[in-house]
Amino acid sequence: QKEVEQDPGPLSVPEGAIVSLNCTYSNSAFQYFMWYRQYSRKGPELLMYTYSSGNKEDGRFTAQVDKSSKYISLFIRDSQPSDSATYLCAMSRSSGNTPLVFGKGTRLSVIA
Amino acid sequence: KAGVTQTPRYLIKTRGQQVTLSCSPISGHRSVSWYQQTPGQGLQFLFEYFSETQRNKGNFPGRFSGRQFSNSRSEMNVSTLELGDSALYLCASSPKGRVNQETQYFGPGTRLLVL
Repeated sequence: QKEVEQDPGPLSVPEGAIVSLNCTYSNSAFQYFMWYRQYSRKGPELLMYTYSSGNKEDGRFTAQVDKSSKYISLFIRDSQPSDSATYLCAMSRSSGNTPLVFGKGTRLSVIA
Repeated sequence: KAGVTQTPRYLIKTRGQQVTLSCSPISGHRSVSWYQQTPGQGLQFLFEYFSETQRNKGNFPGRFSGRQFSNSRSEMNVSTLELGDSALYLCASSPKGRVNQETQYFGPGTRLLVL
């Protein structure tokens, strides 16, 4: 079993829809959780960064962490065609000096 | 401020050859990490350097190596290339001595194709 599992999609939604992206993990030592967005031919860029359980909101994006279920989510409200990208979850045991463990990414297409 | 730059952006090699990839971090950043991204395995950590010292290494064979120079620029080398080494190689830089994922920025990557 991989440490981090993520449905690769592809996921296709109409413009304005609410998108839900999810990852599950097996290592209970993970405490820091991130979501990255990667456009084609680009490197990943950090969208959301959270510590431990709870919710974090930034504009149209909300990240949720449920450590008891080992499950994290990213919600995108009012999705736009510019949100079309691959979304990667990542996590680590500490905030520094430990490498990130990534999910394989979910490819999202938002159709106008 | 310029972002992380990686050269070359694209590379084609044949099996058995070796390759060197270069990464220039954001000005002032001292930590550089390397990742391999493939469709099958996703993004996997290769190694991390700070002050010219390797601080962390992922689970890759010894054919993969790297180094960091005094100006924080980093190179990674893959010897005796195999078909499975075809991937996007990503470099990420961080300003602090301890890699802080919140301030880690990725470059656009070098796409390597091994024939």
